[in-house]
Amino acid sequence: DVKVTQSSRYLVKRTGEKVFLECVQDMDHENMFWYRQDPGLGLRLIYFSYDVKMKEKGDIPEGYSVSREKKERFSLILESASTNQTSMYLCASSLRGGISDTQYFGPGTRLTVL
Amino acid sequence: QQQVKQSPQSLIVQKGGISIINCAYENTAFDYFPWYQQFPGKGPALLIAIRPDVSEKKEGRFTISFNKSAKQFSLHIMDSQPGDSATYFCAAKTNSGYALNFGKGTSLLVTP
Repeated sequence: DVKVTQSSRYLVKRTGEKVFLECVQDMDHENMFWYRQDPGLGLRLIYFSYDVKMKEKGDIPEGYSVSREKKERFSLILESASTNQTSMYLCASSLRGGISDTQYFGPGTRLTVL
Repeated sequence: QQQVKQSPQSLIVQKGGISIINCAYENTAFDYFPWYQQFPGKGPALLIAIRPDVSEKKEGRFTISFNKSAKQFSLHIMDSQPGDSATYFCAAKTNSGYALNFGKGTSLLVTP
């Protein structure tokens, strides 16, 4: 079975802190994604990566950056956390960039910024 | 701008009833339409998906109906069970794209 793991289930940070969210997948998937999930807003794409060291902005990249140094690992970075970044963060991976590639999600990290 | 519009936001159905969730889109380049199911504390997981060359796809109690001319698709859950209580997301994707465009989600509660 595909497994996508996220480094923390719950995280509490202070405003202005630099925050790292880590995601690891074990199925050799080329594509990896970071979403945030907020009530009433659904899943919004922050960034995605289709290969090592490659990254593309999603719909809401402001205030975030990403890093993909190894194929299995995709990190989301909040350079200076703000209270409006309190959210559930979901990582996903998929095998190919073409049609019908299923995205497999991790369990999510609930981040609270105080 | 939300590329996939989903309704209703929440839905309460009695056990044994039919749950219906609707989605609409504008981008005619979309050609893959999955539905994801999310239980509390879990990430979303693929439930069922359809391509626009067919008008309906059924897997067990779950059916996707697709209307290409109306640019709408819907999820029907027959004989709904309390275990179906979850959040459901529709999504759409182009053949050349990497990312899924998700609807805002529907919170389904099936009462005993």
